[in-house]
Amino acid sequence: NAGVTQTPKFQVLKTGQSMTLQCAQDMNHNSMYWYRQDPGMGLRLIYYSASEGTTDKGEVPNGYNVSRLNKREFSLRLESAAPSQTSVYFCASREGDRWGGTDTQYFGPGTRLTVL
Amino acid sequence: GNSVTQMEGPVTLSEEAFLTINCTYTATGYPSLFWYVQYPGEGLQLLLKATKADDKGSNKGFEATYRKETTSFHLEKGSVQVSDSAVYFCALSRSGAGSYQLTFGKGTKLSVIP
Repeated sequence: NAGVTQTPKFQVLKTGQSMTLQCAQDMNHNSMYWYRQDPGMGLRLIYYSASEGTTDKGEVPNGYNVSRLNKREFSLRLESAAPSQTSVYFCASREGDRWGGTDTQYFGPGTRLTVL
Repeated sequence: GNSVTQMEGPVTLSEEAFLTINCTYTATGYPSLFWYVQYPGEGLQLLLKATKADDKGSNKGFEATYRKETTSFHLEKGSVQVSDSAVYFCALSRSGAGSYQLTFGKGTKLSVIP
């Protein structure tokens, strides 16, 4: 099992460019999450998906969109990148759905994004 | 709202020293509590967890006890190794709106020197 995989590992964008971060999990988990990690801030939730076909906003959703393509894949899109979106982005998955299940989340290796 | 406060770093210890990283939380109800570890250049790995009061989570020589009366979940290890150098995050999980989202502390960087 690969667990949670993310692509790309690194990306540099110019202000105003768009891109999509990809995430996939092979654990048959129901819930998936996108977090961003900034120095001295811990991790903050951007969006989550508690089941295939549903998505909900987290703490810091502005400037982002997500798609739960199928049960395995959950992508994060930046339509018009800004320097404030320079961060490390982590995807995570959890076995349970919005009605319950274990609450342990498993994380991918991260994507380091720089917006110039 | 939910929040997690953990001791500021960085923390530098000599090999075989005793480690304590303090973590306190604010949450309604009965959250699950976690410690995650992030090694340089890697993602977060679950280190240990506890789901109810007085539970003790343990893994790789690390321990933490869920103390509801003091709203704390301090991480301890009796004898640290150089390989324990990493950033440690305390977190809680609450099923708000069905999200089970994690609320993280800011992280504590540990450096262990030989």
